[in-house]
Amino acid sequence: KAGVTQTPRYLIKTRGQQVTLSCSPISGHRSVSWYQQTPGQGLQFLFEYFSETQRNKGNFPGRFSGRQFSNSRSEMNVSTLELGDSALYLCASSILAGGYNEQFFGPGTRLTVL
Amino acid sequence: QQQVKQSPQSLIVQKGGISIINCAYENTAFDYFPWYQQFPGKGPALLIAIRPDVSEKKEGRFTISFNKSAKQFSLHIMDSQPGDSATYFCAALRSGAGSYQLTFGKGTKLSVIP
Repeated sequence: KAGVTQTPRYLIKTRGQQVTLSCSPISGHRSVSWYQQTPGQGLQFLFEYFSETQRNKGNFPGRFSGRQFSNSRSEMNVSTLELGDSALYLCASSILAGGYNEQFFGPGTRLTVL
Repeated sequence: QQQVKQSPQSLIVQKGGISIINCAYENTAFDYFPWYQQFPGKGPALLIAIRPDVSEKKEGRFTISFNKSAKQFSLHIMDSQPGDSATYFCAALRSGAGSYQLTFGKGTKLSVIP
C-alpha cells in the first residue's frame, strides 16, 4: 500500500511569491492534516480537512490556506511568502477524523524562502 | 502557550543503555498520547501510543510510562541501538474534539553511540 506522497519535495521561492503544495493521502484515507515543522517552533498544526471540509485550523495567518478534493487529495497554499515561512511542510492522513486513528505522515516538502 | 513540554532537547546514550525522554502536558482534556520517531529526510512515524486509562504500555524495547495525576508521560528505550538514533516527538490529542489535531513537544534528538 502506497504511503502519503507530497510534491514537490523541495521548493525555493522568493519573498512575496506564492506557493502551492500537494498531498496525496493513503488510499481510503479521508482525513488530511497539514503541519509546519521548523527548528525553533517544532511541529505546528496548520489545518485539517475531512471530506472536503476544513474541520480545524491552527494559529496561522490567513496567508495560509488549503483545500481538499473529492478524491481526498489536498493542497495548501501560502501567499505573499515571508522569510519565516521557510520550513518543512508535512501532510498526514488518517482513515477517519478524530478518535484514536493512527495518523500517517508523508516525507514533507522543504520550502526555502529567499 | 506550549501545551506539551518535552525534555531533554538532546540525548546521547551508549549502545545497550536506556534512553529516557520526558513530556508534560497542561490540557487535561488530552486523552491520547502518541510518540513519533523521525529520521532525517523522513516524516514522523508513529512509534507507540497510550491512553490515560493505563499507566504503562510496552512494545518491544519501547515503553511508555504515564502519570495522569502529574500530567506527565515518558518514553523509555531499552537496550538502545545506533539505529534508534533519530528525533523523537511526544504528542497529545483531544479525541473528542471532532478533528485530528496533534499538539507536539519540541522534540528530542537521540544519538546512540557504539
